[in-house]
Amino acid sequence: GEDVEQSLFLSVREGDSSVINCTYTDSSSTYLYWYKQEPGAGLQLLTYIFSNMDMKQDQRLTVLLNKKDKHLSLRIADTQTGDSAIYFCAEVKAGNTPLVFGKGTRLSVIA
Amino acid sequence: ETGVTQTPRHLVMGMTNKKSLKCEQHLGHNAMYWYKQSAKKPLELMFVYSLEERVENNSVPSRFSPECPNSSHLFLHLHTLQPEDSALYLCASSQVREGNSPLHFGNGTRLTVT
Repeated sequence: GEDVEQSLFLSVREGDSSVINCTYTDSSSTYLYWYKQEPGAGLQLLTYIFSNMDMKQDQRLTVLLNKKDKHLSLRIADTQTGDSAIYFCAEVKAGNTPLVFGKGTRLSVIA
Repeated sequence: ETGVTQTPRHLVMGMTNKKSLKCEQHLGHNAMYWYKQSAKKPLELMFVYSLEERVENNSVPSRFSPECPNSSHLFLHLHTLQPEDSALYLCASSQVREGNSPLHFGNGTRLTVT
């Protein structure tokens, strides 16, 4: 497809794990990113993964990359109410063109 | 993060007004961007200034006019806007290079056109 695809909504209970999925477009994309947007704010870089990796862990965050299926996921362990936000995945296509973003997944954490 | 600052945070303007949005980056980056964020739509890249060259999205109406006087400052001049231009306008910067060059965003200007 031509668009970076994400589910629009995800709801989880506090303390559970959240998994946000993304399908990107270009199998030759070099870097893939996850951004977080809280209400009234811009996008904050959360983490990234290089295309030659299949997993990256950073504290409560785990990024999994399946290049064959062009599938990226972000797992948040022990989800907290402060994790409620919109999460965007983004890819850098070949040629260092500007990032291409998905529509974002709104994560709601229920106490 | 205060690396990219945008002013004003909120702006209400009539369709006949002229206003400007301002962005400043303190990260030493060599590229700056304007994005438009509307509800239920993907982030729309409007303009890029990269290594002092301007790259634009041809679908952006001429009522939006960017200006980049130097690598740290970026403006978006607005005139005769339409109500559908109401959105969050985000500025970002990056260091253009081979490899990892993520965007760093400001907190945006919430624009309402009445």
